[in-house]
Amino acid sequence: GESVGLHLPTLSVQEGDNSIINCAYSNSASDYFIWYKQESGKGPQFIIDIRSNMDKRQGQRVTVLLNKTVKHLSLQIAATQPGDSAVYFCAENRAGNQFYFGTGTSLTVIP
Amino acid sequence: NAGVMQNPRHLVRRRGQEARLRCSPMKGHSHVYWYRQLPEEGLKFMVYLQKENIIDESGMPKERFSAEFPKEGPSILRIQQVVRGDSAAYFCASSLAGGNEQYFGPGTRLTVT
Repeated sequence: GESVGLHLPTLSVQEGDNSIINCAYSNSASDYFIWYKQESGKGPQFIIDIRSNMDKRQGQRVTVLLNKTVKHLSLQIAATQPGDSAVYFCAENRAGNQFYFGTGTSLTVIP
Repeated sequence: NAGVMQNPRHLVRRRGQEARLRCSPMKGHSHVYWYRQLPEEGLKFMVYLQKENIIDESGMPKERFSAEFPKEGPSILRIQQVVRGDSAAYFCASSLAGGNEQYFGPGTRLTVT
C-alpha cells in the first residue's frame, strides 16, 4: 500500500506485506529528515534519519528514500508486523534549528 | 542510560490555575525542545532552548506560556491561567546539538476542567 501523509492519513496493510508511507516536505533548504513512530499514548520514537546528501538509507526492515527534486520522502517497511501499527511522522530540519513535523499517517496492520 | 524524562505524566488543572511541566533531557544533552500535540494531530513546535538560553520561541503563544532551561535542573514549561484549549499532550525532546536526532519523552497529558 502507499499513502501520502497529507491527503490519505490512514493506511491499512496485510501482515507480511510491505508498507510505503510518503511525506511531502515544504522547504528545499531542509537538510536533515527523520521518521518517527508514535504508538497510542506514547512519545514519538526515532526510526531512521537521512541527510540531504543521500537519497537512500536502510535500517532493520526500514528504508528511507529522499527525492530532493520533488521534495518527497518515503518510509518503506518490509514484512509489516502487527507491532508496526502506529502513527508515522516525518520531520524536516533546516540549518540546525527547529524540526517541522508532518501531519502523520496512521498505519494499521491487519493480521 | 535513562532517556528523556517528563513529569508529571498526567496533570489536571481547573481553569485559571497554573500548570508546570518538567523535562529532564538525556544525559549529556543540552538542547531541549517542547511540542504540543492535540488528539489526532501532529506535533507543533513551541520552543527550543539551550542551557539558560531561549533559542527559538516562535511557536510559543505570546501570553501565559513561558519556558526555561536553567543551568541546573530540568526544563520547565509553565502555563499560567490555563484555559480548556490548553488541554493537550506536551512532549519534550532533547538532542546533543541543534539539528541532530531528537529523543522524545513520554509526554505530559494536561487536562483543563
